[in-house]
Amino acid sequence: DAKTTQPNSMESNEEEPVHLPCNHSTISGTDYIHWYRQLPSQGPEYVIHGLTSNVNNRMASLAIAEDRKSSTLILHRATLRDAAVYYCILRDFYSGAGSYQLTFGKGTKLSVIP
Amino acid sequence: DSGVTQTPKHLITATGQRVTLRCSPRSGDLSVYWYQQSLDQGLQFLIQYYNGEERAKGNILERFSAQQFPDLHSELNLSSLELGDSALYFCASSVGPGETYGYTFGSGTRLTVV
Repeated sequence: DAKTTQPNSMESNEEEPVHLPCNHSTISGTDYIHWYRQLPSQGPEYVIHGLTSNVNNRMASLAIAEDRKSSTLILHRATLRDAAVYYCILRDFYSGAGSYQLTFGKGTKLSVIP
Repeated sequence: DSGVTQTPKHLITATGQRVTLRCSPRSGDLSVYWYQQSLDQGLQFLIQYYNGEERAKGNILERFSAQQFPDLHSELNLSSLELGDSALYFCASSVGPGETYGYTFGSGTRLTVV
């Protein structure tokens, strides 16, 4: 079962802020929330991750709800280069040595309109 | 350039054949991850190695195998290839063994089985 829920697609105008939502109602207390993006014809790229507090880096901000059941990735000024599929990810447990890995879902396809 | 090198970039081969995909992780990274991305399945985690040892196994078929060598580069071997194995294969690396370390992805190998 999917652990995160994201809209299939979103549109934004260039140079405007973008808020990409993610629901993760079954999150456990120790799960980090990870965001990656995949530009066309490229491998996924790390964007940001956080546990409880809001996080900022040069690419984006991550706003985490107080109950941690949802989060929002914020791109402060969308550019055409930000057009990509954005993945909100929680970890999954895998057998073998018994470790957690990132399982990518379908993500949100962000289109940026000039 | 992400620092993760994958070769070859493109590969076309016939059904029933065997191929080897190669990945050199980013300098200093000890973990290597393999993912498969097809149009209908999205990004699927295959397997992880950490410092030469297998750490986690995902949806990897028995026809597929991988290893990580002492110099930390990794190879993914795909045998008895079928049409359905056509996909993008991504390698990622990270400093540590866990998912809280950001993954850096390569640009992928596009495999076409004809």
